[in-house]
Amino acid sequence: QKEVEQDPGPLSVPEGAIVSLNCTYSNSAFQYFMWYRQYSRKGPELLMYTYSSGNKEDGRFTAQVDKSSKYISLFIRDSQPSDSATYLCAMSEESSASKIIFGSGTRLSIRP
Amino acid sequence: GAGVSQSPRYKVAKRGQDVALRCDPISGHVSLFWYQQALGQGPEFLTYFQNEAQLDKSGLPSDRFFAERPEGSVSTLKIQRTQQEDSAVYLCASSFLAGVGDTQYFGPGTRLTVL
Repeated sequence: QKEVEQDPGPLSVPEGAIVSLNCTYSNSAFQYFMWYRQYSRKGPELLMYTYSSGNKEDGRFTAQVDKSSKYISLFIRDSQPSDSATYLCAMSEESSASKIIFGSGTRLSIRP
Repeated sequence: GAGVSQSPRYKVAKRGQDVALRCDPISGHVSLFWYQQALGQGPEFLTYFQNEAQLDKSGLPSDRFFAERPEGSVSTLKIQRTQQEDSAVYLCASSFLAGVGDTQYFGPGTRLTVL
């Protein structure tokens, strides 16, 4: 079993819809939680970063972490065709904060 | 430069050949990371440098993989005697410092195909 599990999709929704992306994990030592966006043939770029449990909002994006359930989510409101990409969840431990463990990514397509 | 650059962008090698992949991090970034991304998967950590010191190489899959950053800036990932299972995109990332609060900026990757 992988340390981080993520539904690979693909997920296709109409423009303007609310998108929910999720990951589960097994390592209770993870303290740092991130979401990256990766466009085709590009490197990942950091979208959101959260420490421990709680919610964080940035524009149309909201990240949620539930450490008791070992479950993290990314919500995208008013989705746009430009949001079409692969979304990767990522996590790391306090003791080795630089070593990031990524999920396998969810391919998201927003239909105009 | 504006971001992390990697060269070559694409590399085709015959099985058994040695390859060298280059990463130019953002100027002034202390930390440099290498990841391997197989098709349809997320990046997997290979190794990490802080300046010229290789602090973690726990992700290197075998002794055929070797990374260096001799002057604390440009880094090279070398793969000896390439195998088909080495086919992947190799990503380099850099960050200003070393903690997770410091964003890792990724390059576009080198796509390696081993025939």
